[in-house]
Amino acid sequence: DTGVSQDPRHKITKRGQNVTFRCDPISEHNRLYWYRQTLGQGPEFLTYFQNEAQLEKSRLLSDRFSAERPKGSFSTLEIQRTEQGDSAMYLCASSLGGGTYEQYFGPGTRLTVT
Amino acid sequence: AQKITQTQPGMFVQEKEAVTLDCTYDTSDQSYGLFWYKQPSSGEMIFLIYQGSYDEQNATEGRYSLNFQKARKSANLVISASQLGDSAMYFCAMREYTGTASKLTFGTGTRLQVTL
Repeated sequence: DTGVSQDPRHKITKRGQNVTFRCDPISEHNRLYWYRQTLGQGPEFLTYFQNEAQLEKSRLLSDRFSAERPKGSFSTLEIQRTEQGDSAMYLCASSLGGGTYEQYFGPGTRLTVT
Repeated sequence: AQKITQTQPGMFVQEKEAVTLDCTYDTSDQSYGLFWYKQPSSGEMIFLIYQGSYDEQNATEGRYSLNFQKARKSANLVISASQLGDSAMYFCAMREYTGTASKLTFGTGTRLQVTL
């Protein structure tokens, strides 16, 4: 399967703990995106990378959130000191470029903070 | 200001019938793209169709077509010959091409239920 993969698919954590999610994009895609989706809403943009450079970050991405894409391949999204409001589906997508290129999404990581 | 508006929280359609899912958008850019995605209960977002702001013809992909009315800022998705497997959430999204902007802005979605 050469689609976007994400790990883990589900994560339950206690408030205050740190969590890290991984995304493996489609291999030839140079752009990688992170979105967050809460119940009843559409995905909201968090950040994106072109190769290893993080080019844009949303105001939604507080200081507790950090994303990396070393070597321009897989990416990690870390949330420090999790809060109940962080409970959501975290979606990763990749694309060949910007513009007209569609973004291909992974299955998401569902985070529950108790 | 909300950039993508989907006013239908839920829609029902009978199998084999056509259905239109509404989407209106707001942008001051001249260059932008409109996308529709399907999200089944499994959670994965599946790309359906794309329309560029400068495209003169409405986009079509199999049973999916996009009714693009630029002056009205609407980009409705038409699904012909509905199938049970079309039951899912459908999201309209927009990408604006100014600067380094590459993100998609999504609407709140429409839940489509296909019945026998």
